[in-house]
Amino acid sequence: DAGVIQSPRHEVTEMGQEVTLRCKPISGHDYLFWYRQTMMRGLELLIYFNNNVPIDDSGMPEDRFSAKMPNASFSTLKIQPSEPRDSAVYFCASRAGQGRKAFFGQGTRLTVV
Amino acid sequence: GESVGLHLPTLSVQEGDNSIINCAYSNSASDYFIWYKQESGKGPQFIIDIRSNMDKRQGQRVTVLLNKTVKHLSLQIAATQPGDSAVYFCAEILAGFQKLVFGTGTRLLVSP
Repeated sequence: DAGVIQSPRHEVTEMGQEVTLRCKPISGHDYLFWYRQTMMRGLELLIYFNNNVPIDDSGMPEDRFSAKMPNASFSTLKIQPSEPRDSAVYFCASRAGQGRKAFFGQGTRLTVV
Repeated sequence: GESVGLHLPTLSVQEGDNSIINCAYSNSASDYFIWYKQESGKGPQFIIDIRSNMDKRQGQRVTVLLNKTVKHLSLQIAATQPGDSAVYFCAEILAGFQKLVFGTGTRLLVSP
């Protein structure tokens, strides 16, 4: 298995533009997590899904952020409109059931100018 | 709150020394505590975990200790190697094995 795959690896966009981050979890994993990492706030859990259903989105910073998981092999995190303070590394992770190991993608480094 | 907290200190050690990385947590209802390692430019990688009803667990060159009385978790790395240089995070699994919440990390620097 190729692991968790995120795209793009790097994204530079202008303030006000829409940004879509993509994640392909490991096949067979039924949990998917989206995290944001910054120096100031560390690794923040934004939202997680179980069997494609959003379970807890309390970490989503505001209405500009939305996440979907249309099927078991694909999830998106969208920011519309983007702002400079959204600049961060965004990680997707997946996990199989109640196992403790979550596997992370390489992350998407987002820069909003 | 739900946060597992530690500021981001830096621990500098010499190759071959033993390293101890500490973490204080705040949620007594966590099911598992986990240590992750993050190398530069990569996502976090699972190292070892411990269930909340245990106080010690050993892996290959690593040992995790859990003190529930003072809500303290530690990761001990034996014979630290330059390849161990990374940021180490403690994390908790909450809400019946679902939610995975991270602390802020400790940077480990290993000098040859």
